[in-house]
Amino acid sequence: EPEVTQTPSHQVTQMGQEVILRCVPISNHLYFYWYRQILGQKVEFLVSFYNNEISEKSEIFDDQFSVERPDGSNFTLKIRSTKLEDSAMYFCASSEALAGTNSPLHFGNGTRLTVT
Amino acid sequence: KQEVTQIPAALSVPEGENLVLNCSFTDSAIYNLQWFRQDPGKGLTSLLLIQSSQREQTSGRLNASLDKSSGRSTLYIAASQPGDSATYLCAEGGSEKLVFGKGTKLTVNP
Repeated sequence: EPEVTQTPSHQVTQMGQEVILRCVPISNHLYFYWYRQILGQKVEFLVSFYNNEISEKSEIFDDQFSVERPDGSNFTLKIRSTKLEDSAMYFCASSEALAGTNSPLHFGNGTRLTVT
Repeated sequence: KQEVTQIPAALSVPEGENLVLNCSFTDSAIYNLQWFRQDPGKGLTSLLLIQSSQREQTSGRLNASLDKSSGRSTLYIAASQPGDSATYLCAEGGSEKLVFGKGTKLTVNP
């Protein structure tokens, strides 16, 4: 069964450094998402992406965050200057149609980001 | 503000027991309600999706119901097995995004 893959599985970085989290969505999916889960907290929506542009973003997704689909297969999340509070598990997801339809989201296994 | 609450936070049952997990949500204009399973250190696996026009969905030993008027959904697991041990998350689907509850951590003891 096709799956969403994320790399790396764990990333440790120093505060103020830039990080890029990588995802390969399922190949025939058109909608891509990033969510995050701070340890012990709820999974939170960050951003949705369709047709090479952001379609919705949360208040968490400020100017420090950006997303890109640099080629036909990868989907990346960049954090320009990491803060301690960015430490979390970051999940990429994809779907055939919008989240609000009958098309379920398929999640990757996540990247655990630790900012020291 | 959309809010999703799951009760109980944790549940421990003996193998073979039938059980119900509860989810309540505040947004009556949801598009769908989705249930996921999360294993430790892993991603989320989609279990069931109920569209707003539906009342329930079934997959194997799992049955999920949706009552929009009361803002509630339940996930029923029949004949639980140790392999069902995981955290179960419900999420209300808006037009673009999902809003998650904190989950119920289920332990099924052999």
